[in-house]
Amino acid sequence: GAVVSQHPSWVICKSGTSVKIECRSLDFQATTMFWYRQFPKQSLMLMATSNEGSKATYEQGVEKDKFLINHASLTLSTLTVTSAHPEDSSFYICSAAGFSTTDTQYFGPGTRLTVL
Amino acid sequence: AQSVTQLGSHVSVSEGALVLLRCNYSSSVPPYLFWYVQYPNQGLQLLLKYTSAATLVKGINGFEAEFKKSETSFHLTKPSAHMSDAAEYFCAVRSSGGYQKVTFGIGTKLQVIP
Repeated sequence: GAVVSQHPSWVICKSGTSVKIECRSLDFQATTMFWYRQFPKQSLMLMATSNEGSKATYEQGVEKDKFLINHASLTLSTLTVTSAHPEDSSFYICSAAGFSTTDTQYFGPGTRLTVL
Repeated sequence: AQSVTQLGSHVSVSEGALVLLRCNYSSSVPPYLFWYVQYPNQGLQLLLKYTSAATLVKGINGFEAEFKKSETSFHLTKPSAHMSDAAEYFCAVRSSGGYQKVTFGIGTKLQVIP
């Protein structure tokens, strides 16, 4: 149980384009989803927290207009990187916590974004 | 405020030897503590968690951790290392209150030498 998927697992795009990453909870309803960014050989940095049906809460220093988060249902959240630039290249990981898993976040497999 | 300190960004052990990965935490409220493992180019997998029940927590793959409030520690151990244990391990803390923000340590890369 508590499986989280992400799609795509990797994506390469040109500078200036937008990329959408999906995060799905497969076997539970996720009341809260989290988006993290991980640079090589570093820990996870929380970007934003989203609750279903509400606006996301962004961490300090994260541009909300650049990283658009939508949490339209209890099983799906999306992160859209708008007007991507090479410095946005990173590993993006989502996690989810639900009604029966409120004390634990379950992580997706991550999405490797490379912006050329 | 909460924080996690993982001592040792790299740990090497011989196959069959004891694995000890250190984690100290700081939290203004009773914490929940977690250990996650990450294999290359993958997400994080929950190894075990402490949520104010038993202080000795057993997880998957033979790992366990003990919550020691007096030492503010939550070290991860495994009696006998396997080659498949080679990975990055992250200790994490969150408050036991409603808000679920989790703070991660910098990670410890475990190398298992045959």
